[in-house]
Amino acid sequence: EVQLVESGGGLVKPGGSLRVSCAASGFTFSGYTMNWVRQAPGKGLEWVSSISSSSSYIYYADSMKGRFAVSRDNAKNSLFLLMNSLRTEDTAVYYCARGPTPVIEDYFDYWGRGILVTVSS
Amino acid sequence: QSVLTQPSSVSAAPGQQVTISCSGSSSNIGNNLVSWYQQLPGTAPKLLIYDNNKRPSGIPDRFSGSKSGTSATLGITGLQTGDEADYYCGTWDSSLSAVVFGGGTKLTVL
Repeated sequence: EVQLVESGGGLVKPGGSLRVSCAASGFTFSGYTMNWVRQAPGKGLEWVSSISSSSSYIYYADSMKGRFAVSRDNAKNSLFLLMNSLRTEDTAVYYCARGPTPVIEDYFDYWGRGILVTVSS
Repeated sequence: QSVLTQPSSVSAAPGQQVTISCSGSSSNIGNNLVSWYQQLPGTAPKLLIYDNNKRPSGIPDRFSGSKSGTSATLGITGLQTGDEADYYCGTWDSSLSAVVFGGGTKLTVL
């Protein structure tokens, strides 16, 4: 069974940094693209970033470029999102989601339960 | 303001059918594949439809997807109270080099 479990969320002050993680199990992690999608309270889905299976290709949403950094450790079946210069508008539930292939795709076939990141003074 | 446009809400009675539209442009829906997600209250999104009209294993055939030009449609037949959820369309936007989603449609089964 595919499982994606996010961790590392919490409360951070504006301008601060936070790293969230996603532990994957139930599939060959190194064979799939991984992604982050967020959802602000009461709002819709917003794509954050995608990283290909070998980390060769990385994409970010414009509003995250230069502030967020995605990475993965295939040996540890883990995905990471380092968020710097956080703003109040970054407050959201951050979902880890699997892409269906090793290359960047436009849909996500499995999702974690999400982790809440709150940016507030 | 979402790149893809969906109605904010739709409603229908149990047993009836409903369609949810998703409108975009040539840089996204017009030249890329569309997916649909269901988000039940308090839960993570779940893939319903991918590649315009394909259903993942375990998704009942009451759910269907179609695409024409720069618009896509999700259809749900035989509505059940358990179908009450938010539904999102998504695709790749070639101009933005980004995955884009619609703003979501809340389905109420009266």
